[in-house]
Amino acid sequence: QVQLVQSGAEVKKPGASVKVSCQVSGYSLIELSIHWVRQAPGKGLEWMGGFDPEDGESISSQKFQGRLTVTVDTSSDTTYMELTSLTSDDTAVYYCATHYCSGDRCFANYFDPWGQGTLVTVSS
Amino acid sequence: DIVLTQSPATLSLSSGERATLSCRASQSIGTSLAWYQQKPGQAPRLLIFDASHRATAIPARFSGSGSGADFTLTISNLGPEDFAVYYCQHRNNWPLTFGGGTRVEIK
Repeated sequence: QVQLVQSGAEVKKPGASVKVSCQVSGYSLIELSIHWVRQAPGKGLEWMGGFDPEDGESISSQKFQGRLTVTVDTSSDTTYMELTSLTSDDTAVYYCATHYCSGDRCFANYFDPWGQGTLVTVSS
Repeated sequence: DIVLTQSPATLSLSSGERATLSCRASQSIGTSLAWYQQKPGQAPRLLIFDASHRATAIPARFSGSGSGADFTLTISNLGPEDFAVYYCQHRNNWPLTFGGGTRVEIK
């Protein structure tokens, strides 16, 4: 069973960058596609982007292009989300999630399981 | 981008009642829609995928229907554990988007 464990909460100043990790257990990261979704306090879910191991490409929302980098370290089964030029609007819980699989079938871009979430607070 | 509009924003019901949640897409997405449940302080949980298929271990009281641009999540016989926020999400194309959510609260 796939489990995703994220790094701990972060506090950053405006203009800084943050790097959140998501470690996979129960499966090899090589075979998974990890995506990132964020949720501002009291708000809804917002898809940010992800990495598809089949083509080795990252895809991201245009809203974050130029600020978001998703990288993969297969040696430690860990994926990283780095967001630069932070503002107070980036204060949110950041989740990693992977494609839902049932038996030997996987359904791309439907997400389950999810990591536990990482709170990133941007404040001066 | 595809906009998903969920209604109502809040649904006030009692245990044992039926909840009917709506998700409308700004363009046709076939059946490329999922529903998630989120409780306070927890990550979302996948309930329904491809509009009408229950995910693993999801109780039969949760059902999804619809195609094209109009979708419905029905929760029959609400239990106390079902009071939560529900989101729809499409996977028709990039970018993936979520609806704004429907809160199901205890009346």
